[in-house]
Amino acid sequence: GEDVEQSLFLSVREGDSSVINCTYTDSSSTYLYWYKQEPGAGLQLLTYIFSNMDMKQDQRLTVLLNKKDKHLSLRIADTQTGDSAIYFCARDNFNKFYFGSGTKLNVKP
Amino acid sequence: GAVVSQHPSRVICKSGTSVKIECRSLDFQATTMFWYRQFPKKSLMLMATSNEGSKATYEQGVEKDKFLINHASLTLSTLTVTSAHPEDSSFYICSAGQGTSADTQYFGPGTRLTVL
Repeated sequence: GEDVEQSLFLSVREGDSSVINCTYTDSSSTYLYWYKQEPGAGLQLLTYIFSNMDMKQDQRLTVLLNKKDKHLSLRIADTQTGDSAIYFCARDNFNKFYFGSGTKLNVKP
Repeated sequence: GAVVSQHPSRVICKSGTSVKIECRSLDFQATTMFWYRQFPKKSLMLMATSNEGSKATYEQGVEKDKFLINHASLTLSTLTVTSAHPEDSSFYICSAGQGTSADTQYFGPGTRLTVL
């Protein structure tokens, strides 16, 4: 879905925090998601946030949701080389998922 | 947790042939499954909703005669790419779920189709 947009690339150094941003136009979804895709692999659900929440923290992951601005972000603390992957934000509509274009995170040692 | 499998994981075929991709829910029943397509370095695009016992529902712009979907049982949906062409080369991913909660939709590992 074109209504979910992300920046294409992000490069950080190992140990730094990574912040991946996502914007969307359709605010009807109950949940918003972050998925991780490693090269040649399928999708791994990282975390999700209920649309009525502002923040959710799960270990190294922090999701921020600004409903007014329709902006979703994923912060990865203490980024590791194993975090290098493509990260997709997504919204769903009755189990149909609409994905952003994906942000390729490159973690430099 | 629930697992969704796909078979084959990779397939290479000649132009003009048809290829069938299977999506199975391994430990739960799914009346609805979804098929996505991912172009190289692009996002995943929803292709169609596979409904057990009835016709699939296709998203706008997806040719139903090109991408045949059969959901013959509560644990199996198949996507057949008919008369494949090189532009059909893509990564195809299915999903299936047990409910409508956030963490109840599971994605398969994907099938890499290469049409020569």
